[in-house]
Amino acid sequence: AQRVTQPEKLLSVFKGAPVELKCNYSYSGSPELFWYVQYSRQRLQLLLRHISRESIKGFTADLNKGETSFHLKKPFAQEEDSAMYYCALLTGGGNKLTFGTGTQLKVEL
Amino acid sequence: NAGVTQTPKFRVLKTGQSMTLLCAQDMNHEYMYWYRQDPGMGLRLIHYSVGEGTTAKGEVPDGYNVSRLKKQNFLLGLESAAPSQTSVYFCASTQSGQAKTQYFGPGTRLLVL
Repeated sequence: AQRVTQPEKLLSVFKGAPVELKCNYSYSGSPELFWYVQYSRQRLQLLLRHISRESIKGFTADLNKGETSFHLKKPFAQEEDSAMYYCALLTGGGNKLTFGTGTQLKVEL
Repeated sequence: NAGVTQTPKFRVLKTGQSMTLLCAQDMNHEYMYWYRQDPGMGLRLIHYSVGEGTTAKGEVPDGYNVSRLKKQNFLLGLESAAPSQTSVYFCASTQSGQAKTQYFGPGTRLLVL
């Protein structure tokens, strides 16, 4: 079964502290994974995808097939990082995304 | 270039009433999607379309119908609203062959009493 698990509903960190948002997946094929972000009062938008191996706004995510994980990391959290983060897996033959339940990140001063 | 727009932004319905949510995109995208967002449940796919005149069921299709008569529009219908359909509804679109970077609308907040 195709599934994306985000175990933390809420993650609270202090400004300047490292951030790690966890994402685990279950998928029989070769996975393609993404992180989407929803800032307060804004629409959901793509943050990054694993095939690009990019760093956006200081965030990185590495696909670990052995652990079936795609955790989102940032070395130093900023106040503007506070948002809802969703991990997503490409499914349905590439036609659709399966989202996790999301993690609300709160960066405190 | 407005991207993805949704109408209405907010609506209150009584149980049993019907309504249609409209999603429009001006990016000439082939694929369009309807999701619902509920606390603790994340985003769940209701229905989607891979082209004009085609639709397919997603994860939670019961109680909803959709139509894609024009490429730029994707309609979501509730024939007989139930309190369980109280949610925030998001539409998204993407270009074919790139069903990965989905562009989302601002959402429609629906309250069913």
